[in-house]
Amino acid sequence: DGGITQSPKYLFRKEGQNVTLSCEQNLNHDAMYWYRQDPGQGLRLIYYSQIVNDFQKGDIAEGYSVSREKKESFPLTVTSAQKNPTAFYLCASSGLGTSGRGSTEQFFGPGTRLTVL
Amino acid sequence: AQKITQTQPGMFVQEKEAVTLDCTYDTSDPSYGLFWYKQPSSGEMIFLIYQGSYDQQNATEGRYSLNFQKARKSANLVISASQLGDSAMYFCAMRENQAGTALIFGKGTTLSVSS
Repeated sequence: DGGITQSPKYLFRKEGQNVTLSCEQNLNHDAMYWYRQDPGQGLRLIYYSQIVNDFQKGDIAEGYSVSREKKESFPLTVTSAQKNPTAFYLCASSGLGTSGRGSTEQFFGPGTRLTVL
Repeated sequence: AQKITQTQPGMFVQEKEAVTLDCTYDTSDPSYGLFWYKQPSSGEMIFLIYQGSYDQQNATEGRYSLNFQKARKSANLVISASQLGDSAMYFCAMRENQAGTALIFGKGTTLSVSS
């Protein structure tokens, strides 16, 4: 089945540690995204990528890093510079079209819940 | 200024009743798309409905319809015949084509359906 997988589902980090969240898609989508969601809040964009080996910062990129070495994969690293990383992280992918649901809809993974101990 | 505004933090409705969740947006891009997603307590994001800025008719998907009023920059979600399983957080989102492909989300509305 086509879809997006994220791992792990739950992740615990100690102060000062870097951790990497995995996101893989087999939908053949060009674009991939990382969003952060805090309790009771909407999603905020961290980073996105529209092509392999290229990515752009979103609204809250500080303290995070990404890579896009393969079309299918877009891992997110939460660095020790991120002062308040406890949140729910969602990865998504989409096509690059500019109109119509089929080319613009974002498909989401199940999310990773990160907690700082 | 917020690009997507959802003014109802919480809404309560009884089963089988219809409910409208409000969403207003702000953009100067003539080409954009509007989305509604549902997020149950499990955290997954479920796509509900899409409306393109040039679509002439309001979008409908089963029990969901989008009341699109372009001049007012309003894109309200209407759920007809509410069910207990509709209890969830609902997010309105916009994609501005000139800005790329990422979505801008509102803060969401929590819908509670009671029997």
